[in-house]
Amino acid sequence: GAVVSQHPSRVICKSGTSVKIECRSLDFQATTMFWYRQFPKQSLMLMATSNEGSKATYEQGVEKDKFLINHASLTLSTLTVTSAHPEDSSFYICSARDATSGEYNEQFFGPGTRLTVL
Amino acid sequence: GQNIDQPTEMTATEGAIVQINCTYQTSGFNGLFWYQQHAGEAPTFLSYNVLDGLEEKGRFSSFLSRSKGYSYLLLKELQMKDSASYLCAVMDSNYQLIWGAGTKLIIKP
Repeated sequence: GAVVSQHPSRVICKSGTSVKIECRSLDFQATTMFWYRQFPKQSLMLMATSNEGSKATYEQGVEKDKFLINHASLTLSTLTVTSAHPEDSSFYICSARDATSGEYNEQFFGPGTRLTVL
Repeated sequence: GQNIDQPTEMTATEGAIVQINCTYQTSGFNGLFWYQQHAGEAPTFLSYNVLDGLEEKGRFSSFLSRSKGYSYLLLKELQMKDSASYLCAVMDSNYQLIWGAGTKLIIKP
């Protein structure tokens, strides 16, 4: 099956610093990648959708200047949390979709990145 | 607006059967997904329904009624490892996934 990796799996940083999270599709080309955030005991919240080679589409309420998304290749998307603050501490999950194959546009999820901002 | 409703928490006994319901109201419909999510981990795919009826996959089955905006996930022969959150998600007309808040399933011996 399709595999999506995320790096790092866990990161602790100081307030005001920037953190970059990588999402890679290992055995397929991801035409679309999604970035989610999940706070404890809450459901997934879509932050943005990115298509390879174009600008990401951000959901309402998500600051595009704070959460920088780059999808430069068909196998890699990055999310950079700029000037992180404690309220940005969350579980960040990426998913990838290969629209050129598969029966039903299934999204394959990465293992997630636990961000803690001190 | 778009809305997915599912119970917050359910408790069941090991070896028993449990049904987790999901109702939805979305702009368009391109299928309904069920995912399993263990604490601290990413969701894993369980099932997909786009036509009315029952899809069976081992101990798990998923049912869909598009006219009623309703689905359920049926788990049989429950095992302790089935303790997790179960997320219902609907793909809307823009092929975006709309997520429910998840149902936390607690399995007791």
